[in-house]
Amino acid sequence: GAGVSQSPRYKVAKRGQDVALRCDPISGHVSLFWYQQALGQGPEFLTYFQNEAQLDKSGLPSDRFFAERPEGSVSTLKIQRTQQEDSAVYLCASSSQPLSPEAFFGQGTRLTVV
Amino acid sequence: KNEVEQSPQNLTAQEGEFITINCSYSVGISALHWLQQHPGGGIVSLFMLSSGKKKHGRLIATINIQEKHSSLHITASHPRDSAVYICAVSREYGNKLVFGAGTILRVKS
Repeated sequence: GAGVSQSPRYKVAKRGQDVALRCDPISGHVSLFWYQQALGQGPEFLTYFQNEAQLDKSGLPSDRFFAERPEGSVSTLKIQRTQQEDSAVYLCASSSQPLSPEAFFGQGTRLTVV
Repeated sequence: KNEVEQSPQNLTAQEGEFITINCSYSVGISALHWLQQHPGGGIVSLFMLSSGKKKHGRLIATINIQEKHSSLHITASHPRDSAVYICAVSREYGNKLVFGAGTILRVKS
């Protein structure tokens, strides 16, 4: 596609519900990052994929957070048993090569847990 | 202390004014990014710097590696420049970005 696409754009979940957020990176991009942006703050790193390999998941805040990229293209971030503190914008970014300094961001998914 | 600090947090300017947003970082970096985020929108990359100065239209970004400091300048500001401007650094090429908290800019007509 022309850019990084994320869906849904907005998600309202009841506390305790599971959610799945999708990221379609730019076609052929090797690297894929997930970031979490709380209201009024800068984004914070969650996890990183190089192709289908999850090379860094040090930013995932708890074991309720799980990410996958099984075929090295589309990635899904899953949050189980959502809690209010999970409310944030979840951003996906991709880059063409592992050592490429450039990053292309999606529009983000705004998750609100009520 | 955060690895990336931005100032000011909020900035209101009149249309036409020259604007400067500052970013300081405390770690060694391979690149520094300036990003723009509109309300409800995603993030757009404005500049990526590892040294010197870059210019694109009315936007200018500079970096001083020795002082670990970067500035983003907007000349002849316009209301459409209103957005959040975020500084981010990568410690290694291709590695995750560490972000500042952002500067909320409002340009009034």
